[in-house]
Amino acid sequence: KAGVTQTPRYLIKTRGQQVTLSCSPISGHRSVSWYQQTPGQGLQFLFEYFSETQRNKGNFPGRFSGRQFSNSRSEMNVSTLELGDSALYLCASSPRTSVIETQYFGPGTRLLVL
Amino acid sequence: AQSVTQLDSQVPVFEEAPVELRCNYSSSVSVYLFWYVQYPNQGLQLLLKYLSGSTLVKGINGFEAEFNKSQTSFHLRKPSVHISDTAEYFCAVSDSSSSNTGKLIFGQGTTLQVKP
Repeated sequence: KAGVTQTPRYLIKTRGQQVTLSCSPISGHRSVSWYQQTPGQGLQFLFEYFSETQRNKGNFPGRFSGRQFSNSRSEMNVSTLELGDSALYLCASSPRTSVIETQYFGPGTRLLVL
Repeated sequence: AQSVTQLDSQVPVFEEAPVELRCNYSSSVSVYLFWYVQYPNQGLQLLLKYLSGSTLVKGINGFEAEFNKSQTSFHLRKPSVHISDTAEYFCAVSDSSSSNTGKLIFGQGTTLQVKP
């Protein structure tokens, strides 16, 4: 089975712009979670989607949003980019949304905001 | 609220030596615990997880961890490390406030540097 794929892998944007990141889960997985990884804050949970519904949301401003499509692919959007949004954005998929399920992570999208 | 503390930010060790990466958690409810590894320019890979049962959990690549409820710890060990084990290691706890979530709360990470 192919793993979790994320596109693009690298992205450079300027302050004030918006960006959309894409995540394709492992075939058959219906749950997708997003995390932000920075040197200062570490790995922080953004949100989780299951069957096109947001099931959980982390403590991020409303500029961060996401959605999931009927094929389980997910996108996250960040509007009005700030320098502090520079990070590695990871998505993870699992068969269902449950605390005991193993999450499989993609390689991440590295976003640099100038 | 749950939290995870990884007590060492960096652990240097010589090849073939044993290693222990320390992790403590705080939670008022029962927890599920995980260790993930991140190699450079890659995503996270699950090493092992504790859900219930035996407190000694064996994972991939020769790693094991022991769940200690009284000390709220979940330390990761390997009896003999290889150069290829050089990576960042993350301890995580599940958000058990709801069973219908895959949300993980991560520690800050420990960089394992294996020297020849």
